[in-house]
Amino acid sequence: QVQLVESGGGVVQPGRSLRLSCAASGFTFSSNGMHWVRQAPGKGLEWVAVISNDGSNKYYADSVKGRFTISRDNSKNTLYLQMNSLRAEDTALYYCAKDREMTAYHFDYWGQGTLVTVSS
Amino acid sequence: DIVMTQSPDSLAVSLGERATINCKSSQSILYNSNNKNYLAWYQQRPGQPPKLLIYWASIRESGVPDRFSGSGSGTDFTLTISSLQAEDVAVYYCQQYYTTLGFGQGTKVEIK
Repeated sequence: QVQLVESGGGVVQPGRSLRLSCAASGFTFSSNGMHWVRQAPGKGLEWVAVISNDGSNKYYADSVKGRFTISRDNSKNTLYLQMNSLRAEDTALYYCAKDREMTAYHFDYWGQGTLVTVSS
Repeated sequence: DIVMTQSPDSLAVSLGERATINCKSSQSILYNSNNKNYLAWYQQRPGQPPKLLIYWASIRESGVPDRFSGSGSGTDFTLTISSLQAEDVAVYYCQQYYTTLGFGQGTKVEIK
């Protein structure tokens, strides 16, 4: 069965960096686009970034553009999110999510999330 | 950017009764060339990640009970739970994927 397991979250000071990982299994990882979606505590869902199945195309929400970088290693079935210049408003539970098709831009499987807290 | 607005923010429905959630987009999310509405619905139970219920506005995801249905076109969409069950207590989100992806603010469904 499909499994997505995020890791790398933690407490970090404003302005610092953090890299999240998402280990995927149970499907052909190189066939699907992958996304990061976040949820601030007690708030709704916010899409963060998407990467195409082969890594050639990447798109970002305006709120993270220029600070976050999405990448993937298809040989390791792993998705990444490099987060730089972190701000308090980046505090959230970060989910990785599988695109339902190659580029359908909606999500049929989600991980359990990894919590990022940006605080001094 | 397209803004998605859900109504109501919360609703309480008796077990076995119908629950209706509305989602309105600030511009049409119907792509004329393929006649598809670029809208999905998710259910998020407490402490859980979201779960895909409906995509292309009305196609039920595999394994989703048939009491869940999606309808609408253009800018106005509806998620209907025909007979509310206890396990349907959750927050429901609509999501457009016509342009830069965006979600509605969520609708909390509770038992009356």
